[in-house]
Amino acid sequence: EVQLVESGGGLVQPGGSLRLSCAASGFTFSNYYMIWVRQAPGKGLVWVSYISGDGASIRYADSVQGRFSVSRDNAKNSLYLQMNSLRVDDTAVYYCATYTWTDRNFDYWGQGTLVTVSS
Amino acid sequence: EIVMTQSPATLSVSPGERATLSCRASQSITSNLGWYQQKPGQAPRLLIYGASTRATGIPARFSGSGSGTEFTLTISSLQSEDFAVYYCRQYYDWPLTFGGGTKVEIK
Repeated sequence: EVQLVESGGGLVQPGGSLRLSCAASGFTFSNYYMIWVRQAPGKGLVWVSYISGDGASIRYADSVQGRFSVSRDNAKNSLYLQMNSLRVDDTAVYYCATYTWTDRNFDYWGQGTLVTVSS
Repeated sequence: EIVMTQSPATLSVSPGERATLSCRASQSITSNLGWYQQKPGQAPRLLIYGASTRATGIPARFSGSGSGTEFTLTISSLQSEDFAVYYCRQYYDWPLTFGGGTKVEIK
């Protein structure tokens, strides 16, 4: 069974940092791109970042470029999102999810972790 | 960036009735579109991919159609568990973009 479990969310002051983790199981993690998607309270879904299976290809949404950094450790089946210079408008539930071109049916999401940026 | 526009924002439907949700792309995305269902406090769940293919385990009452810039999700006979928010998402190009969502509520 595929499972994605996010952790690391919490309350942080504006300008602060936070590192999110996503633990994957039930599939060959290194074979898949992974994405982060966020959802502000009461709002829609917004893509944040992707990372290729080998970590060589990375991209960010303009809103987080230069502040967020995505990485992965395939030996630990884990995905990370380092968030720096956090702003109030980064407040959201952050989801990790699988992403693939070859089997669009392979689409799994974690339960999300809430990041609240507030003074 | 490809902008995805969903309509209506809210759809009030009685159980057993048909619901038709629309999604429009700002440029052609061929069939590179997925539909998601999200219930309060839960992660999105894939319903449809490739604009018209049901994901694993999705009931046949859910169907998708369209290509290019105009897409439709139809729920043929709404069940109580179908009242939720529905999002379309394009994966034709980066950045991935989602529509603003359609909330299907009980009439």
